[in-house]
Order: sequence, then structure tokens, then C-alpha cells
Amino acid sequence: QKEVEQDPGPLSVPEGAIVSLNCTYSNSAFQYFMWYRQYSRKGPELLMYTYSSGNKEDGRFTAQVDKSSKYISLFIRDSQPSDSATYLCAMSAGSGNTGKLIFGQGTTLQVKP
Amino acid sequence: DVKVTQSSRYLVKRTGEKVFLECVQDMDHENMFWYRQDPGLGLRLIYFSYDVKMKEKGDIPEGYSVSREKKERFSLILESASTNQTSMYLCASSLQAAGEETQYFGPGTRLLVL
Repeated sequence: QKEVEQDPGPLSVPEGAIVSLNCTYSNSAFQYFMWYRQYSRKGPELLMYTYSSGNKEDGRFTAQVDKSSKYISLFIRDSQPSDSATYLCAMSAGSGNTGKLIFGQGTTLQVKP
Repeated sequence: DVKVTQSSRYLVKRTGEKVFLECVQDMDHENMFWYRQDPGLGLRLIYFSYDVKMKEKGDIPEGYSVSREKKERFSLILESASTNQTSMYLCASSLQAAGEETQYFGPGTRLLVL
């Protein structure tokens, strides 16, 4: 079993829809959670960063962490064609000084006009 | 803004060639990473370094080596390129501090080995 599971999709939605992207994990030591967005043929860019449980909102994006269920989500409101990309979840226990992150496989999202 | 640059966006090499991929970051980050990304397999860590001249194997180090002679520069070396090393290679860097786990990525190098 992988430490982080993420449905690769693809996920196709109409413009304006609410999108929910999810990851589950098995390591209860994880406490730092990130979402990256990767456009085709580009490097991943950080979208959201959350420490421990709770919600974090940034414009149309909301990141949610439920440590009791080992489940994290990214919600996109009023989705736009420009949101079409691959979304990667990443997480870390934060211990030691190696800085290693564990990534999900990525979910490909297509928002149709 | 953090900037991570990679020496080439696209590379075409022949089987058996020695290949150098260079990565430079300008934010004085201690940690640097090399990943490869393949469809259906996600990001896989090849090597990482948490200090100058220090290196640690990642999940798939076979066929690769690395060099970190200066803090800002981390090189990935394919000693004898093979067709199964055709991939997207991504470099990343991060600070070495609690709560600073975010990695910043370069634009990637698409390598084709013929």
C-alpha cells in the first residue's frame, strides 16, 4: 500500500462547477500538507500549505485536513478553464532535516468552457 | 520569489552517453532534490542533498549519481544513458527548518534517450 493515495482521474467538469480533489494517507505522523498545481510540461507550483488539521482558504481554493480520518481535500469554487492542470498532494512528518515530501500520484483536472 | 532554474528544457541523447542535468536555486536553500516524473507513476525521488557535498539516495537511485559542490547547485548525472531513462526530470529545493517543508520546483527537463 502506498503511503499516499490519490485518484489519478482524469476528472472533467463544466466551467463554474465546484471541484473536490482528495488524498488519503496512512502515516499518522504527517502534519504538514501541501497541494501543488502542475500545468502541462511545467514544474509543480505550490498552491496551498496547511499545518495539522483544519481548513485554509485562499480565494477560490480551500484546503481541508482531517487527521482523524487521514484524509485531505482541495476544493475549487467557480472552476475556470485555467484551472485545468494536474493537482498533486504532498505531505511530511516534519521530523529530521531531510525535508522529504511524500507525493500523491496527481489528479488530472479538465474544466470545460 | 524563490527561483529554481534547470539548465535545459529539452534534451535528446543517445544510448550510452553521459548526461549532465544542472539545477541552480537562488534562495540559499539547504535541501535540494531530483525527481523523475512519468505518466502513471507520479513523482519519484532519485537523490536528495541536505548540505554541500552531502547526498542521500531516494527511491530510485540506480543508474544515476549526483554532485553538490556548491550550496546553490545540484547536478544529476546519468553515467550511461538508457532508453528507460527517458523522462521528465524535476529539481526542487527547500529550507531546512521546521514548518518550511515546502519544496520549490524548477521548470523541468524533458530528456529523450534514443
